[in-house]
Amino acid sequence: EVQLVESGGGLVQPGGSLRLSCAASKFTFSSYWMHWVRQAPGKGLVWVSRVNSDESSTTYADSVKGRFTISRDNAKSTLYLQMNSLRADDTAVYYCARVGLSFGAGMDVWGQGTTVTVSS
Amino acid sequence: SYELTQPPSVSVSPGQTASITCSGDKLGDKYACWYQQKPGLSPVLVIYQDTKRPSGIPERFSGSNSGNTATLTISGTQAMDEADYYCQAWDSSAVVFGGGTKLTVL
Repeated sequence: EVQLVESGGGLVQPGGSLRLSCAASKFTFSSYWMHWVRQAPGKGLVWVSRVNSDESSTTYADSVKGRFTISRDNAKSTLYLQMNSLRADDTAVYYCARVGLSFGAGMDVWGQGTTVTVSS
Repeated sequence: SYELTQPPSVSVSPGQTASITCSGDKLGDKYACWYQQKPGLSPVLVIYQDTKRPSGIPERFSGSNSGNTATLTISGTQAMDEADYYCQAWDSSAVVFGGGTKLTVL
């Protein structure tokens, strides 16, 4: 079964750092663009970042630009999100998602999410 | 920055047709996708490239996109369709989600 499994979430103090991981299995990870999407408690989905298949191009939401870094290791089939200078409003469930191969394809595989709580 | 606007809530009776709209400037010039999310679960893609259904998504789910509005239509709505629905589009190389619509089947 095609699968994405996130890890690395937890409780962190404001100003702290965390690195999230997303392990992919049962598909050719290196062929797909990957995204991070977050959802604050009781709120909607918010896009965070994306990386293309060979990591030559990345894009970030304005709210995380300069603080978060997306990366990937295709040899390990793993996506990462390095989060620095964390703020209370970064508190959310963080999902990784795969985007289908064709133009305009949606995020067709999602992980189960990992929870990040930023609090003192 | 680009914005997508959805109604916060839509109600429908079982067996009837539910329509959820998503508005954005010249949205019809972009591809729209729709996701279903049930409480405590990850989102599920139900429509991509405006009108296409992924494998395993029932035929009662359909989509359209023209002008400034994309629409998700659920025909013969069932109780199991009660969920939050999000539209999504691309703005340059970034991604935008709508605020979400809570579909109530009553």
